[in-house]
Amino acid sequence: QVQLQESGPGLVKPSQTLSLTCTVSGGSISSGSYYWSWIRQPAGKGLEWIGRIYTSGSTNYNPSLKSRVTISVDTSKNQFSLKLSSVTAADTAVYYCARSQITMNHAFDIWGQGTMVTVSS
Amino acid sequence: SYVLTQPPSVSVAPGQTARITCGGNNIGSKSVHWYQQKPGQAPVLVVYDDSDRPSGIPERFSGSNSGNTATLTISRVEAGDEADYYCQVWDSSSDPPWVFGGGTKLTVL
Repeated sequence: QVQLQESGPGLVKPSQTLSLTCTVSGGSISSGSYYWSWIRQPAGKGLEWIGRIYTSGSTNYNPSLKSRVTISVDTSKNQFSLKLSSVTAADTAVYYCARSQITMNHAFDIWGQGTMVTVSS
Repeated sequence: SYVLTQPPSVSVAPGQTARITCGGNNIGSKSVHWYQQKPGQAPVLVVYDDSDRPSGIPERFSGSNSGNTATLTISRVEAGDEADYYCQVWDSSSDPPWVFGGGTKLTVL
């Protein structure tokens, strides 16, 4: 079955750029039936959708983060990535990658295990 | 942006029925999805499209949606159901289009 796995540094300095990659296994990221998203969750708080990418490369970002976010896809590696610039302590969170199914009204049916990112000097 | 409102907490005794609500303007016109999240784990989809269950989710989990309120119902609650529950909608006319509720902590007494 399809699995997602996040990877990247667990510690990022303030003002620097957070970079994470999500590797898709057991299926192709190029399938036209899905969007691929990043979602984050600060400790003890709720879920925040960051943005999504389609296999074509089209993107959509949360307006609250849009000026700092870039999501890209590498279909040859079956991966998609997140870059968040100018980070502050408020960006400290568990970051999840997730797949949403177009035929399920964009429900997130598969999630990665999540990766903790701390912003600190 | 579209706003989803959930109660912070719900408590229920084992074997009873838990109902977790998700409020939103005319939410009945949208498809609502529900996720269960246990401590230290990623969320798991338990109900999609208001009332459908993914494979492997017990029939004890059900959903409904009408008017301004969607409801996740958990029948015959077990200790293992204690978790945070989040509702979510996708609204193409909203920015952002993917929106989560604030989450509800279900406590099994």
